[in-house]
Amino acid sequence: DQQVKQNSPSLSVQEGRISILNCDYTNSMFDYFLWYKKYPAEGPTFLISISSIKDKNEDGRFTVFLNKSAKHLSLHIVPSQPGDSAVYFCAASEDAGKSTFGDGTTLTVKP
Amino acid sequence: DAGVIQSPRHEVTEMGQEVTLRCKPISGHNSLFWYRQTMMRGLELLIYFNNNVPIDDSGMPEDRFSAKMPNASFSTLKIQPSEPRDSAVYFCASSLRGYNEKLFFGSGTQLSVL
Repeated sequence: DQQVKQNSPSLSVQEGRISILNCDYTNSMFDYFLWYKKYPAEGPTFLISISSIKDKNEDGRFTVFLNKSAKHLSLHIVPSQPGDSAVYFCAASEDAGKSTFGDGTTLTVKP
Repeated sequence: DAGVIQSPRHEVTEMGQEVTLRCKPISGHNSLFWYRQTMMRGLELLIYFNNNVPIDDSGMPEDRFSAKMPNASFSTLKIQPSEPRDSAVYFCASSLRGYNEKLFFGSGTQLSVL
């Protein structure tokens, strides 16, 4: 049973517009959520995180929203830039330590 | 800091051979993780060490896989004997404490078992 799901394998947006990447989870024990970005031939790099005690965290062009009742989080990128084109992974963890990753969403930002 | 360092970057081997992947975590990080990425299963955690001690190895697929962390600056993931279905990208990651915080990933080892 996949505990973290990213239902959209790919997303294409125009440069300057908003990108919204979604993630759903099933384990109510998850209390910390992270987004990673991955370029080809590189390892994932941390982007932004949010604790379950918050519903929003913002860092520059990146904002993560958490809806605990719906077990849903989203990553907003505004404005999107061609350099944002990458695979984005949602991850969730609990006190036990390990992070569980979604399958990723490939974002393409067109100039 | 150089970040998490993995070697080799690419490994091509024949079925039945032993494969050893290596990882040097970021200095001062107390937790180390081995992940495997495949098209079918995505990024899956194989094993997690904290202070050089294996904490959770429930993701290790079978006895052919073993991992060690003899000291705070080095870990190995060994596959013996290797099989074609082991072909994947293997990532090592480290973090300060291991829970509820970001992971720093290496560039990965692309393993191909023929």
